[in-house]
Amino acid sequence: EVQLVESGGGLVQPGRSLRLSCTASGFTFRDYALSWVRQPPGKGLEWVGFIRSKTYGGTTEYAASVEGRFTVSRDDSKSNAYLQMNSLKTDDTAVYYCTLISPGSSALFDYWGQGTLVTVSS
Amino acid sequence: DIQMTQSPSSLSASVGDRVTITCRASQGISNSLAWYQQKPGKAPKLLLYAASRLESGVPSKFSGSGSGTDYTLTISSLQPEDFATYYCQQYYSTPCTFGQGTKLEIK
Repeated sequence: EVQLVESGGGLVQPGRSLRLSCTASGFTFRDYALSWVRQPPGKGLEWVGFIRSKTYGGTTEYAASVEGRFTVSRDDSKSNAYLQMNSLKTDDTAVYYCTLISPGSSALFDYWGQGTLVTVSS
Repeated sequence: DIQMTQSPSSLSASVGDRVTITCRASQGISNSLAWYQQKPGKAPKLLLYAASRLESGVPSKFSGSGSGTDYTLTISSLQPEDFATYYCQQYYSTPCTFGQGTKLEIK
């Protein structure tokens, strides 16, 4: 059974940093691309960024709203993905979901974690 | 970026009804369209992809259609567990983008 478990959320002040983790199980982690999607409280879904598998270079892409501030990385030996968030803004307050990208697609999310809440506030 | 516009933003229906939600893309997306269901406090769940293909394990009461820029999600014979928020998503180009959501409520 595929499982994605996010951790690392919490309350952080504007301008500070936070790192989220996504621990995966139930599939061959190194073979898959992963993405982060966020959802501000009471609002809709917004794609944040993704990382390809090492087979495809392990490269990353980001939404314009987080480009230069957020970094997605992966540790295939631990079946973990990470979202490093720097220079946080109040607008970054959201539930952050780790998602598994369906093979052969660029952004079809067929498995989601339960999400972790990040609150950016002074 | 491709803009996705869903309508209606909310919808009231009764158990047993059939409902349709529409999604319009700001440019053609070649059927690279997915539908997700989200219940309160839960992660979204993939229902359909490629506009009309049912994800494994999703009941056939959910169906999708469309082409070019216009797509629809139809849910037949509504049951209490179907009342949720539904999102469309285009994955034709990066950044992928979502519709604003349609909240389906019990009448």
